[in-house]
Amino acid sequence: SQQGEEDPQALSIQEGENATMNCSYKTSINNLQWYRQNSGRGLVHLILIRSNEREKHSGRLRVTLDTSKKSSSLLITASRAADTASYFCATVSGNQGGKLIFGQGTELSVKP
Amino acid sequence: GAVVSQHPSRVICKSGTSVKIECRSLDFQATTMFWYRQFPKQSLMLMATSNEGSKATYEQGVEKDKFLINHASLTLSTLTVTSAHPEDSSFYICSAREYVNYGYTFGSGTRLTVV
Repeated sequence: SQQGEEDPQALSIQEGENATMNCSYKTSINNLQWYRQNSGRGLVHLILIRSNEREKHSGRLRVTLDTSKKSSSLLITASRAADTASYFCATVSGNQGGKLIFGQGTELSVKP
Repeated sequence: GAVVSQHPSRVICKSGTSVKIECRSLDFQATTMFWYRQFPKQSLMLMATSNEGSKATYEQGVEKDKFLINHASLTLSTLTVTSAHPEDSSFYICSAREYVNYGYTFGSGTRLTVV
């Protein structure tokens, strides 16, 4: 089962620019997490935002959460070529036994 | 930090044979393990959730007789793809969690190719 949509599906930017990815979900959640995946590899946890939080920062990452709109955004500032990867949001809902359900993902390409 | 070791990283098998994928939590007790499948250019689809000592709970549309999950200990879960066919070729990833409010740790994935 998929939780929702992410947009854009693909994003291509120049190094130094900011990248914004959006995620929407369908059910009420306990928290929302963002992950990064390099091609054909495992996932790296980036940041977690709880349902009672509206914004969170970690280094060059900024995550917002709007529970009224059931949406979240991930902003990567001053992007680098090494940021090229797929980014996924994933949600944990209280009534689903703690399952982590992923969105569709955004494929980010940062050109040097 | 928490580490989950997943093996093998790549496997090629003949159609009709079975393949076992292992996930081990190296420095924590994984009370719950999750198994995902990912097709190229797509997201991770949850296949099943397993709690140590219990039968796995499968997501709708996932054949439990084809994808056998065993979680017999707090540090090891296995996924066996039985009678594999080319359409089972995919990237399989496990994830482990110690307690309900703890984080999720992912294995590095297994690329299965059925020929």
